[in-house]
Amino acid sequence: GAVVSQHPSRVICKSGTSVKIECRSLDFQATTMFWYRQFPKKSLMLMATSNEGSKATYEQGVEKDKFLINHASLTLSTLTVTSAHPEDSSFYICSARRTGSIHEQYFGPGTRLTVT
Amino acid sequence: KQEVTQIPAALSVPEGENLVLNCSFTDSAIYNLQWFRQDPGKGLTSLLLIQSSQREQTSGRLNASLDKSSGRSTLYIAASQPGDSATYLCAVSPSGRGSTLGRLYFGRGTQLTVWP
Repeated sequence: GAVVSQHPSRVICKSGTSVKIECRSLDFQATTMFWYRQFPKKSLMLMATSNEGSKATYEQGVEKDKFLINHASLTLSTLTVTSAHPEDSSFYICSARRTGSIHEQYFGPGTRLTVT
Repeated sequence: KQEVTQIPAALSVPEGENLVLNCSFTDSAIYNLQWFRQDPGKGLTSLLLIQSSQREQTSGRLNASLDKSSGRSTLYIAASQPGDSATYLCAVSPSGRGSTLGRLYFGRGTQLTVWP
């Protein structure tokens, strides 16, 4: 089956620093990837839609300058949390939609970010 | 904006019981609805996907129904087992076109515990 990886799986950083999270589709091409965040005991909230070669589309209320998304290839999207604060601590999950398919998408295992 | 609600928030049952988990959504203009399973600290496992034109889908002991006009879906789990213990998430994909097609809006989930 199709596999999506995320790196790192866990990261701890200090307030004010930036952290980059990678989302890779390992055995398929993904023109579109989605980024979600999940707070403890809460649902997944869509942050943005990432399209290869174009600017990401952010959901209402998500700061585009704080959560930088780059989708430079058909297998890689990155989310950079800039000037991180403790309230950015969360579980970040990506999904990748197979190129040419509308509903076939696969989720990564998630990245646990802790900002101290 | 699409709102997805799941009831109950938590459920604890003895092994062998048949279960019904409920999901409702506010905007019936959906492309599909999916049910996922999430184990603690882990990513998502897709269980069932129902296209907007379909009424139900089955996989093993799982059956999901969809009533798009009333904005409801149910997940039926037959003969529950301790291994079914997890959080079950319902998500809808809005219909439409463009680069954001495939994005998902999630409910908060039902935390299921099946005890031996």
